[in-house]
Amino acid sequence: DAGITQSPRHKVTETGTPVTLRCHQTENHRYMYWYRQDPGHGLRLIHYSYGVKDTDKGEVSDGYSVSRSKTEDFLLTLESATSSQTSVYFCAIRELGSTTEAFFGQGTRLTVV
Amino acid sequence: AQSVTQPDIHITVSEGASLELRCNYSYGATPYLFWYVQSPGQGLQLLLKYFSGDTLVQGIKGFEAEFKRSQSSFNLRKPSVHWSDAAEYFCAVADNYGQNFVFGPGTRLSVLP
Repeated sequence: DAGITQSPRHKVTETGTPVTLRCHQTENHRYMYWYRQDPGHGLRLIHYSYGVKDTDKGEVSDGYSVSRSKTEDFLLTLESATSSQTSVYFCAIRELGSTTEAFFGQGTRLTVV
Repeated sequence: AQSVTQPDIHITVSEGASLELRCNYSYGATPYLFWYVQSPGQGLQLLLKYFSGDTLVQGIKGFEAEFKRSQSSFNLRKPSVHWSDAAEYFCAVADNYGQNFVFGPGTRLSVLP
């Protein structure tokens, strides 16, 4: 299995509080992604990174920010959590090249109450 | 930007029956296509991928998929389903630059004994 660790695995937080999810990889892959998974929507891309300090928005980036100060870590921050951000969040990594697949972490279940 | 549709939200088949899960994509250039499987509470595992060459690709667990450019499709098939195949299946497409990696909404497969 690819070396991807997401933390925390489960979190309950209150509306309006900041939350940071961490994705750590040991594979030295260039690309890292954050997705959210909701019933009926599959996985929707929030943000991705194509290198240290290089990030871009996905289709559902509103309310989220990311940072990548080291190759191995990609942080997803909810500045002020809302109930609509209750979801399962997956991190993925991918090596350079369009033909390579993405490898996924085990997911973080976030509940905003 | 690329997109993926999976017309079937939920499919139920009997154990031992054949299976076909549909995937249609929208992308202007040559697509790079993937099928993933997700068991309940788990991350995503790659079943197979297509990026060039033979349009019929073989994957793990006895799955195969056929790329049909004229129909913009990449359907997943298995000749005989096992109870352990019950899961959610996602089709994905990557762009030519290797950065964006987009998923369909998924098809949930139930298997009757």
